[in-house]
Amino acid sequence: LAKTTQPISMDSYEGQEVNITCSHNNIATNDYITWYQQFPSQGPRFIIQGYKTKVTNEVASLFIPADRKSSTLSLPRVSLSDTAVYYCLVGPNTDKLIFGTGTRLQVFP
Amino acid sequence: KAGVTQTPRYLIKTRGQQVTLSCSPISGHRSVSWYQQTPGQGLQFLFEYFSETQRNKGNFPGRFSGRQFSNSRSEMNVSTLELGDSALYLCASSLTGSEQFFGPGTRLTVL
Repeated sequence: LAKTTQPISMDSYEGQEVNITCSHNNIATNDYITWYQQFPSQGPRFIIQGYKTKVTNEVASLFIPADRKSSTLSLPRVSLSDTAVYYCLVGPNTDKLIFGTGTRLQVFP
Repeated sequence: KAGVTQTPRYLIKTRGQQVTLSCSPISGHRSVSWYQQTPGQGLQFLFEYFSETQRNKGNFPGRFSGRQFSNSRSEMNVSTLELGDSALYLCASSLTGSEQFFGPGTRLTVL
């Protein structure tokens, strides 16, 4: 499974847009890019998944360039409740998820 | 629709004992996966069951085992507990190949 690299931590303020970039240089043809969010002492929660170009849902957007070697999770107008760890996962659509270290996002008032 | 439930939520055991954790998936979900989360190793995949059969397995010793019942409920067993087994154990269910829904986890402390 493709290894991912993302920043260990990021800080932001309420109302700002946050972009978290994930590198996955050896992504395979049948790999999808999935992002999960995790709050302390809770299980991760699915945010968004994509294969190429741009995907948008009610909580986030996912931008994937043509070479698919990276992806960017965009959170519009974050609030304090968006403080969490965000994981980028790359792999085929199976039920074996390989989590990296994640990005700890801290949102300040 | 009820979410994934795990019991117990907290557990304290001593070294050498064994423990069984339980997971009830979302109704209709036939795939159940188990993960271990520790501060040092992060989130690691243990194994996945589908229709009572283990379909995927992570890199954990044989002390970690699991099973799935005909109603898709799953149990995970850890024998001969070690201090390093202290962790948050998470269960996730899915319709297979799709988004996984995680439970709240069982926090196991080994003394």
